[in-house]
Amino acid sequence: DVKVTQSSRYLVKRTGEKVFLECVQDMDHENMFWYRQDPGLGLRLIYFSYDVKMKEKGDIPEGYSVSREKKERFSLILESASTNQTSMYLCASSLRERAYNEQFFGPGTRLTVL
Amino acid sequence: QKEVEQDPGPLSVPEGAIVSLNCTYSNSAFQYFMWYRQYSRKGPELLMYTYSSGNKEDGRFTAQVDKSSKYISLFIRDSQPSDSATYLCATFNQAGTALIFGKGTTLSVSS
Repeated sequence: DVKVTQSSRYLVKRTGEKVFLECVQDMDHENMFWYRQDPGLGLRLIYFSYDVKMKEKGDIPEGYSVSREKKERFSLILESASTNQTSMYLCASSLRERAYNEQFFGPGTRLTVL
Repeated sequence: QKEVEQDPGPLSVPEGAIVSLNCTYSNSAFQYFMWYRQYSRKGPELLMYTYSSGNKEDGRFTAQVDKSSKYISLFIRDSQPSDSATYLCATFNQAGTALIFGKGTTLSVSS
């Protein structure tokens, strides 16, 4: 059974803080993704990664960076958190062997920036 | 025009009703279509997956794709309170590298 875990379910940070969101998957998936989900806007892709140390920008990468040092772990970094980054953050993973593959999601981290 | 459009609802129905959830998409090159279900305070999980046009059935759920009108639908028969969730339609971009989601429709089934 695929499991994607995220380090925190709820997080409260202050404006200007550096924030790390961690995601770990246990099924040896090559692809990993970070989305944010906002009411009225749906899920939007921030960054994705096809392999260790590789990253690609999604639709809304501004204000975010990522790190993939190990295959199972994908980190989202907010260098200087702002109130407009208050959101639900979802991590997902999938196999690479087929391009059109099911993405498995973690439970999400609800981040509030004060 | 957004690539995938979905009416956010909310949609409220009584138990046992037939539910129709719909999305439209803009790019005729899209081939793979998915429906994800998301319960409150959980991540989305894949419910149905179809390729190109046609119907796919799985128990009480039927996914339908009409490529001529760029319309995708999810039908739920004999809806149950446990079906109460947000339903997200999605398709892969042309490169097959990333999912494009609709905004999601929130469904509430009352007993």
